[in-house]
This record gives sequence, C-alpha cells and structure tokens, in this order.
Amino acid sequence: SQQGEEDPQALSIQEGENATMNCSYKTSINNLQWYRQNSGRGLVHLILIRSNEREKHSGRLRVTLDTSKKSSSLLITASRAADTASYFCATDFETSGSRLTFGEGTQLTVNP
Amino acid sequence: DAGVIQSPRHEVTEMGQEVTLRCKPISGHNSLFWYRQTMMRGLELLIYFNNNVPIDDSGMPEDRFSAKMPNASFSTLKIQPSEPRDSAVYFCASSLDYGQETQYFGPGTRLLVL
Repeated sequence: SQQGEEDPQALSIQEGENATMNCSYKTSINNLQWYRQNSGRGLVHLILIRSNEREKHSGRLRVTLDTSKKSSSLLITASRAADTASYFCATDFETSGSRLTFGEGTQLTVNP
Repeated sequence: DAGVIQSPRHEVTEMGQEVTLRCKPISGHNSLFWYRQTMMRGLELLIYFNNNVPIDDSGMPEDRFSAKMPNASFSTLKIQPSEPRDSAVYFCASSLDYGQETQYFGPGTRLLVL
C-alpha cells in the first residue's frame, strides 16, 4: 500500500507539553501535507512540505521531512486543550496526479 | 467564502433505498473530491473531478455508487441501492486546480443505512 502510516495511533499529553507525531510512506512523493480533524468535523489543512524541503514552520507547528527515510514528523509546541484532534498526514505521490493518500491518523488528547 | 457545503449533514435510510449526497465546492475551485471515512478503513478517496470531468474513479467501491458533476458549482454522489456497509461519513473537498495540492473539506454527511 502507498498509504502513509502515522504513529503513534494515540497520544495523550498535558497542556504545555510538546506533541510529536510521525508519518511514514513507501513511494516517492511530490509533497506531504498534514491535516487536522476535530471530532465530527471535516479535515482542515495545516501545512504542506515539498519533497525538496526539509523543515517548515507555521506558528506552533514544525514539520520535518526526510525523503531518504520516507518519513515526516509534526511537532506541536506548547500544546493546548484546543489542539485535541486527530492529525493525518497526506501524501501526493509522484504518479498520483492530484490525488492525496491519507494515513490512518494520530488521535491527540491534550489534558488541561 | 462559505467554504465547501455539503447536504444533508445527516442521513438515515433503510437498506435498498437510494441515497443522494450533495456538494457545492468553493467558488473558483476546479477540482472536487469525494471521500468516505470509516473506523475500519480510514479516509478513502472515491472519485475526483477536474473541470467537471471525472479523472479517477478507481476508488468507487462498486456499481451501486455513482457521481456526477453537472457544473462547476455542484456535484452529487449517489448510492443505489444502499446497504448497511455503506454507513460512513462522506466528505467532499475541493482544490483550486488540478495539481494545486491543498484541499478544503466540507463538514461531511454522516450516513447510516439500517
């Protein structure tokens, strides 16, 4: 399967701590994206990192990409209870055109 | 902008009935995607359109599923006849254009087939 795989499947931390989620994939990509999904809602785009980039920041989010290891990580710093959600990586494979392939997601719980 | 609009938000139907889900993409977006999300299978791409033309329908599970995009501002996903295993949340998403990577998701339609 080309599907990205996130780990851990679930993560529970205290407010103020950092949360790190990882994503691995199997074939060459054009870019990798991270999305967030609050319970009962649609997915919201967080950040996109291209295959020629190694690190990207957006507010409290930091994404890294290691194409040699076919992996990415999403770091949320100084987490808040409102960050509680599922986080998905989505890969745009080189041969896939516009289609994204989503991983199974990491359920993050930030306890106040 | 109102974002991607989906209707209905919830649908409960009986096995064998026809179900029609509707989507209005963001104005000016040329690509539209239909996804299905379940606990067992996660988020699956069913079909996507570019400029109202279906580009890839390889994710459509079987002939009971069909999708149309008669114009740039409207798409439907139809299931006929519906089965209990079709119960899921169906999302519509749009993006600016083919190859424009960021997708904007609607709130989803939660379908329950009894």
